[in-house]
Amino acid sequence: GAVVSQHPSWVICKSGTSVKIECRSLDFQATTMFWYRQFPKQSLMLMATSNEGSKATYEQGVEKDKFLINHASLTLSTLTVTSAHPEDSSFYICSAIDRANPNTGELFFGEGSRLTVL
Amino acid sequence: GEDVEQSLFLSVREGDSSVINCTYTDSSSTYLYWYKQEPGAGLQLLTYIFSNMDMKQDQRLTVLLNKKDKHLSLRIADTQTGDSAIYFCAEMKEATDSWGKFQFGAGTQVVVTP
Repeated sequence: GAVVSQHPSWVICKSGTSVKIECRSLDFQATTMFWYRQFPKQSLMLMATSNEGSKATYEQGVEKDKFLINHASLTLSTLTVTSAHPEDSSFYICSAIDRANPNTGELFFGEGSRLTVL
Repeated sequence: GEDVEQSLFLSVREGDSSVINCTYTDSSSTYLYWYKQEPGAGLQLLTYIFSNMDMKQDQRLTVLLNKKDKHLSLRIADTQTGDSAIYFCAEMKEATDSWGKFQFGAGTQVVVTP
């Protein structure tokens, strides 16, 4: 099946620094990628929808200046957490829709990136 | 309240069948999914069903959909210790502006005991 890879899988950073998380579709081109945030023992919360070549669409309550999303190519989307603080510590997961099969309803998820802000 | 609801915990003995239940509220949902998440990992698609289907079977997995009651269930036959994980139910509408926007349940923690 289609593979989505995230990097890094785990990152620890100091408060006030910025962290970039990459989401790559390895064997398909992704029309659309999504970024989620997951708190311990909770469900996934959609943060934003990322379309290649256009600005991301953020869900209500998500600060776009805090969580910068860039979808520069059909295989790569990045999420940058700017001026990270301890409350930004979370598990961030991306997913992607296969451009060749957009209507199957399938989303392919990355392995997730655990961010810990000290 | 939550659009998608699941029970939070299920304990099952190895070799028995597991049944995980999910209810959703939006009758316009087109696709309904089951995902598996192991500790510290991302989500793995187990199976999905279109809203015009009542049942789908895939090896040890059986999905039942009751559209009238907006109830979705996942049955795992011959449950193994490797099936211990959190299982998420999710729905998606087909509307263009909602495409890919999944609504997830809170997840059901399944623990398989020897």
